[in-house]
Amino acid sequence: NAGVTQTPKFQVLKTGQSMTLQCAQDMNHNSMYWYRQDPGMGLRLIYYSASEGTTDKGEVPNGYNVSRLNKREFSLRLESAAPSQTSVYFCASSEGWSPYSNQPQHFGDGTRLSIL
Amino acid sequence: AQKITQTQPGMFVQEKEAVTLDCTYDTSDPSYGLFWYKQPSSGEMIFLIYQGSYDQQNATEGRYSLNFQKARKSANLVISASQLGDSAMYFCAMRAAGNNRLAFGKGNQVVVIP
Repeated sequence: NAGVTQTPKFQVLKTGQSMTLQCAQDMNHNSMYWYRQDPGMGLRLIYYSASEGTTDKGEVPNGYNVSRLNKREFSLRLESAAPSQTSVYFCASSEGWSPYSNQPQHFGDGTRLSIL
Repeated sequence: AQKITQTQPGMFVQEKEAVTLDCTYDTSDPSYGLFWYKQPSSGEMIFLIYQGSYDQQNATEGRYSLNFQKARKSANLVISASQLGDSAMYFCAMRAAGNNRLAFGKGNQVVVIP
């Protein structure tokens, strides 16, 4: 029962390097999300995909791109990493929106990314 | 715009006692949902409980209950009979109508002491 799987779990990059964080879910969910978590800031939405074939910006999209590869997979790319992007990144998935849905988002275990 | 406020400083609670974590929110949408998540030191996000804005009763899930006061825009989490494993950060989050995006508060730190 994997749920949401993120790879890698840890990564250290140098400023200017590029990297793609991978996320896959096996719950047949329509919607997927990328968050970052910084100390004292809670989780902030970077990008999300309401359904396969669509992506939208969240609260803090600058410096990131995403790809919804198929219904299972949603990747996050840092084209030119900066120290300000040092953070813990979480991928999440959920069923599609409906007015009275009580279904939560399910989270992966996170990727700890350090940029030197 | 949605806003979630969690302002309590870190809390110490005695094992077996109850603890209440405050969460206030601000939204202009009449239809919304409120979620609480637990994040232990290992880092994963664990869903605890959900309250819908149209729900007539306060949500309960085992030792977790939600004190939902809609007019005051508050959704406080109550953990009864605290256990050592309850030591964690707790996040309140809100989903507004029309999409599944969540807005998170900054969290409440709870430490349960024996």
